[in-house]
Order: sequence, then C-alpha cells, then structure tokens
Amino acid sequence: QVQLQQSGPGLVKPSQTLSLTCAISGDSVSSTSAAWNWIRQSPSRGLEWLGRTYYRSKWYNDYAVSVRSRISINPDTSKNQFSLQLNSVAPEDTAVYYCAREYLHAFDMWGQGTMVTVSS
Amino acid sequence: QSVLTQPPSVSGAPGQRVTISCTGSSSNIGAGYDVHWYQQLPGTAPKLLIYGNSNRPSGVPDRFSGSKSGTSASLAITGLQADDEADYYCQSYDSSLSGKVFGTGTKVTVL
Repeated sequence: QVQLQQSGPGLVKPSQTLSLTCAISGDSVSSTSAAWNWIRQSPSRGLEWLGRTYYRSKWYNDYAVSVRSRISINPDTSKNQFSLQLNSVAPEDTAVYYCAREYLHAFDMWGQGTMVTVSS
Repeated sequence: QSVLTQPPSVSGAPGQRVTISCTGSSSNIGAGYDVHWYQQLPGTAPKLLIYGNSNRPSGVPDRFSGSKSGTSASLAITGLQADDEADYYCQSYDSSLSGKVFGTGTKVTVL
C-alpha cells in the first residue's frame, strides 16, 4: 500500500525559503509510471498545482507558471523521497501543502498535508 | 484563478440524485484532456473519486459516476448518503497554462 508522509516546518518568515519533504513507502520515486507532485490549498486560491518531478530514462520537472521563478522540486533516490523548495515566500503563500502521486494523469495518493504559515 | 468553474453548492435529500458540473474551455476539457474528480472531507486530503472522465478506482461505490461532453464534465451521486457531505473538485490539464488545473469546488449538503 502506497503511503506519502510529509515533513517540514509550519512557519516560515517572509522572503525566506519554504522547504517540505515527502517520504514514499510502497512505491519508488524512480517509478517510470508515476509522477510526484506538490499541490497547495488556500481559501483565496483554492487547490493549486505547483509542479512535479518524474523519471522516464532521465529526470524531468514541470512547474506551474505562477511559481516557476521560485520553485524547485527534487527527487532523492537514496531516501525514496522528493522535496519542495519555494523561495522568496510572502504571506499569500500561506496554505496547506500536499504531496501527491500522479498515476494515469490523476492524483491517486496524497500526503496528509502540512499547514504552512508565512509570517514574521 | 481557477479555469474550471463549478457551482459553489448543491444539496439533496437522502436517497436523491445530485449532479455537479465542471465547465472549462477549448484549452482544457474541450481540447480532449481527461477530467478527474476528488472528494474532500473536512480536515482531510482530497481523495480520488473518478479518473479518466468516468472510471472509478477500486473501493469507490458505483453510486458515483462521471461523464464528459464538449467543454464540460459532470459528477453524479445517486442514492445520496449523509457521509457524502463533502467538497468535490474536478481537475484537468490546461494547454494554455501548460499545467494541471482544478475546479473551484462544490460543497454537497445532505438535507
């Protein structure tokens, strides 16, 4: 059974970097049939897809236009996990952040969610 | 922000049938991209309900069904039950944005 376990701080100061990790069990970050995504949810923006990383003979990344200049999603094959880094955060980046597995273009498994508040 | 529009709320009595619409455009649903549906109970992560327009993952009751036509898609819930009270979201891909997009969300209330 696939499980995704998120970890990371719940409070980040403005202009700093938000960093979250998603540990995978029951599947591999190097799977050639899945992709590994980050999604966030806030009352003002609803559910918002941020980006993904996936392996198809080599590693690929796709990022949402809204955060493309500030985001990095990286796999860690030694720990079977992937991470999110969002730079230069502002209060509007306050949200619940989810990691999710994408299979057949749908998000079929989700992490438990991490509430991240951007505040000084 | 969302490019997929859903009604904010729908309601029905136990046992009734309700439908939730998801309206897109020629750059997402109308372009042929698949629509997926999620159920989100309060305080929990979304759960995949329908994938590929009309397919149910293992364990999802057949009371839930999905369809797609033109630039829109729909989720139907038949035999409405109290534990169907939740928020429901559609999701697809948008070629103009080169990314995945979600609907605005619909709150289902069981009267």
